[in-house]
Amino acid sequence: AQSVSQHNHHVILSEAASLELGCNYSYGGTVNLFWYVQYPGQHLQLLLKYFSGDPLVKGIKGFEAEFIKSKFSFNLRKPSVQWSDTAEYFCAVKNSGGYQKVTFGTGTKLQVIP
Amino acid sequence: DAGITQSPRHKVTETGTPVTLRCHQTENHRYMYWYRQDPGHGLRLIHYSYGVKDTDKGEVSDGYSVSRSKTEDFLLTLESATSSQTSVYFCAISESGGSTDTQYFGPGTRLTVL
Repeated sequence: AQSVSQHNHHVILSEAASLELGCNYSYGGTVNLFWYVQYPGQHLQLLLKYFSGDPLVKGIKGFEAEFIKSKFSFNLRKPSVQWSDTAEYFCAVKNSGGYQKVTFGTGTKLQVIP
Repeated sequence: DAGITQSPRHKVTETGTPVTLRCHQTENHRYMYWYRQDPGHGLRLIHYSYGVKDTDKGEVSDGYSVSRSKTEDFLLTLESATSSQTSVYFCAISESGGSTDTQYFGPGTRLTVL
C-alpha cells in the first residue's frame, strides 16, 4: 500500500524567507505526485503535479517541487514566501497503474508572519 | 476553478439523524469522490464513483453510503449520524481516473453532529 509522510506539521516563517516542505512517499512502483494548497476556509487547489520528465516541476504562485526518485521525495519549495502563502499544504501520491487511488499526506500548516 | 458545488455548506444535526450531502458538477467528469478531512489525518477517501450507478468503497466507508443516478450528481448519505462523523466533507472530480488524471475539489461541507 502506498503512503505519504509530511514530517513538518506546522511551519512558521517570516515574509521573504525561503520555504521547503518535505514530502516522502512509500510505494514500490511508478507514481504520480501532487501538491495541493488549502487557504483558510477554502477548498484544496492544485499547486503542481509531476507525472514524468523533468523532475523539477514549476507550479503556480512561484512554487516548485523536485522529485528525487532515489529518496522517494517530492519536496515543495518557494524562494521567498509572502503573507498570502499562509495556508495548509498537502502532498499526494497516486500509483500510475491499476486503480487510481490518491493518498494524501496529513498536511503542513504554513504561517507566514509579516 | 472546476465547476463543483456542494450543498449544504454547513450543517448541524443530532446523533441518529440521517444526513445527505450533495455534490454537483458541471464538467461532465466520469469520476467523483467523497473525502473527509480531519485534523491530523489529512484527507481520507470515503467512497468514489466511476460512472452512473458505479460506486466503490474507500478507506473509511463504514457508516456512509453513496448514490450516483446522474453524471453530475454524487450523493453521500450518513444513515444514522454519529459524533465521530463530525468533519469537513469534500467532493472531488476527475476526468478519466487514468494515471495522469488530476482531482479537483469542491468547496466543502462542514458537518457537526451533536
